[in-house]
Amino acid sequence: DTEVTQTPKHLVMGMTNKKSLKCEQHMGHRAMYWYKQKAKKPPELMFVYSYEKLSINESVPSRFSPECPNSSLLNLHLHALQPEDSALYLCASSHPRASNQETQYFGPGTRLLVL
Amino acid sequence: GDSVTQMEGPVTLSEEAFLTINCTYTATGYPSLFWYVQYPGEGLQLLLKATKADDKGSNKGFEATYRKETTSFHLEKGSVQVSDSAVYFCALKAGGAQKLVFGQGTRLTINP
Repeated sequence: DTEVTQTPKHLVMGMTNKKSLKCEQHMGHRAMYWYKQKAKKPPELMFVYSYEKLSINESVPSRFSPECPNSSLLNLHLHALQPEDSALYLCASSHPRASNQETQYFGPGTRLLVL
Repeated sequence: GDSVTQMEGPVTLSEEAFLTINCTYTATGYPSLFWYVQYPGEGLQLLLKATKADDKGSNKGFEATYRKETTSFHLEKGSVQVSDSAVYFCALKAGGAQKLVFGQGTRLTINP
C-alpha cells in the first residue's frame, strides 16, 4: 500500500481566515513533505520533516506554518494568505534509505483558493 | 546545480501511436531518476524509477532506461491509449539529498 491521504480535497478561504491542511500516511515512512503546485508548473518544495523534525524550509513565508504531530501526520496551518497563494498543495512521504534509494509517494492534493 | 530538462509540450498523438518523451539531466554523482504522471485534477503518481546506470524502469507498458553516458531517461510506450492523457514529469534525486528536482512537465493528449 502506497497511499497518502489529504484533507480537505478543496478549500476556499478569505485572506483573514485561519485554516489547516491535513496529510496522513500509514506506510511507516519517516520523511514527509509539503509541495506547492501552480497551474502548468512542476511542484515546488516547501517543507521537509524527517523523523518528525523540520529539516528543510525553502524560505516559505511565515503565513504557512507546518506541523508534524507524529510520524503518520503532517499539517499545514494557513493564516492571512494572499490570492497568489491559491494553488494545489501536495503532501508526499518517503522511507529514508541510504544513498539515493528513497522514493517519494504523493497524495491527491488540496486545491486551495484564496479570495 | 542539479537540473532536469524535458521536451516541451504539448504532445498530441493518436491512439496506438508510439510515444517518446525526452528527459535529460545534469547532476553530480549518481542520482535516482523518476517519472511521475499527473492525471487531470489529481496528485502525482509514481510511474517508474531507476536508481543506477543501465537500469530499466517499467510500469503499465511505459519504459525508461537510465543512460549515464547521455545523461538521459527518456520515457517510451509502444502503443498509447486515450487514458494515458496526462502531464508527465521527469525528476531526479541526488544521493543524500531530500529534494526532488523536477522537469517542467510534458502535457500529453491522446486522441481516439
